[in-house]
Amino acid sequence: SYVLTQPPSVSVAPGQTARLTCGGNNIGSKSVHWYQQKPGQAPVLVVYDDSDRPSGIPERFSGSNSENTATLTISRVEAGDEADYYCQVWDSGSDHWVHWVFGGGTKLTVL
Amino acid sequence: QVHLVESGGDVVQPGRSLRLSCAASGFTFSNYVMHWVRQAPGKGLEWVALISFDGSETYYADSVKGRFTISRDSSKNTLYLHMTSLRPEDTAVFYCAKPSRERGQSAFDYWGQGTLVTVSS
Repeated sequence: SYVLTQPPSVSVAPGQTARLTCGGNNIGSKSVHWYQQKPGQAPVLVVYDDSDRPSGIPERFSGSNSENTATLTISRVEAGDEADYYCQVWDSGSDHWVHWVFGGGTKLTVL
Repeated sequence: QVHLVESGGDVVQPGRSLRLSCAASGFTFSNYVMHWVRQAPGKGLEWVALISFDGSETYYADSVKGRFTISRDSSKNTLYLHMTSLRPEDTAVFYCAKPSRERGQSAFDYWGQGTLVTVSS
């Protein structure tokens, strides 16, 4: 089954740029989605289809995807961005199975 | 406004069964694939199952295949997850989630608040 690999933690100072990676075999051929989850809350979609933002998500959040790595970039990081971030793709097989896959998540700490 | 409200979570003994429900509103429920996603305490997200818009197709994570059944009642705008042969490792918050587009595979733009299932003797 398809595996997505995320670093467990990333730390960044306020005002700096955070880059969260999501590795997968030829992930550049898939659409990658990113979710933010704060403690005790449901996940929130912050980037979909590699680089699109849902309405209400600040322009500080952007995404890219190429070859074997997708990246969520958070510019001008704020204290309120501290959360767990998960990447996601869907995968399918020749025998018509469908699976959705999440990465293990990255905890973003704002110093 | 889209709302997804899960219910049915409980403390159950290993080997027992439980049915979760997800009441949907604010969108045309019968037009959308729907998903269940779970999160064990302190762990990451795990996709559990999906059901097609008309209920004719279902897909499951390997970890629950043969034990869990996803279903829907579009007359009630409700999604279900029937869980049998529960194991301690099934302990998790279970979320229902709606995809952003009616057709094809797409990101999950709305999530419920979750319902906690605890499997313990």
